[in-house]
Amino acid sequence: DADVTQTPRNRITKTGKRIMLECSQTKGHDRMYWYRQDPGLGLQLIYYSFDVKDINKGEISDGYSVSRQAQAKFSLSLESAIPNQTALYFCATSASGKSQPQHFGDGTRLSIL
Amino acid sequence: AQTVTQSQPEMSVQEAETVTLSCTYDTSESNYYLFWYKQPPSRQMILVIRQEAYKQQNATENRFSVNFQKAAKSFSLKISDSQLGDTAMYFCAFKEAGGTSYGKLTFGQGTILTVHP
Repeated sequence: DADVTQTPRNRITKTGKRIMLECSQTKGHDRMYWYRQDPGLGLQLIYYSFDVKDINKGEISDGYSVSRQAQAKFSLSLESAIPNQTALYFCATSASGKSQPQHFGDGTRLSIL
Repeated sequence: AQTVTQSQPEMSVQEAETVTLSCTYDTSESNYYLFWYKQPPSRQMILVIRQEAYKQQNATENRFSVNFQKAAKSFSLKISDSQLGDTAMYFCAFKEAGGTSYGKLTFGQGTILTVHP
């Protein structure tokens, strides 16, 4: 089983709908992240969380919200989806410690019509 | 703010040959970490190799090695004995090590590598 699991794997929805992307991990890591990947732009950070009570905005948080329901669960919501939020979304985790790498889920491909 | 630049949008190599992917970065920090991630068509993000800036020795992982030039702010990835399974998008990434760093990764734009039989 994957250490970092994202659901759904793919989603097609309409403009204005509320969407939730979920991430769960079995690695026991404290830190969790949400990234967005667009062609030619690499990955950009949306939100990050260092523990259940610590949530912070990243570079491109407008239009998104998150919830850290437990150490192992971190969900990303689009309150009212718009077409330019069509992208590949990644959840990542890392252990505490500055040298620790991030480990990624398999991504959710989201298309907003 | 840190920036990471990968100047080669696409590269190709013949199976069993060697290829080098380029990455440069800009930072005022003296201590930091650098990573190469691989994203195959299956779209997973897989950690390939990492380098700590205070270590002069270049990191190696089997067929993957880096050429880390701190003064030039360059971090290239060399893949030896290329295999078909190396076909993927490769991302260079930077992470601060000091101060109030929160572990944010700054990614380059990516390089698509195709290995031909």
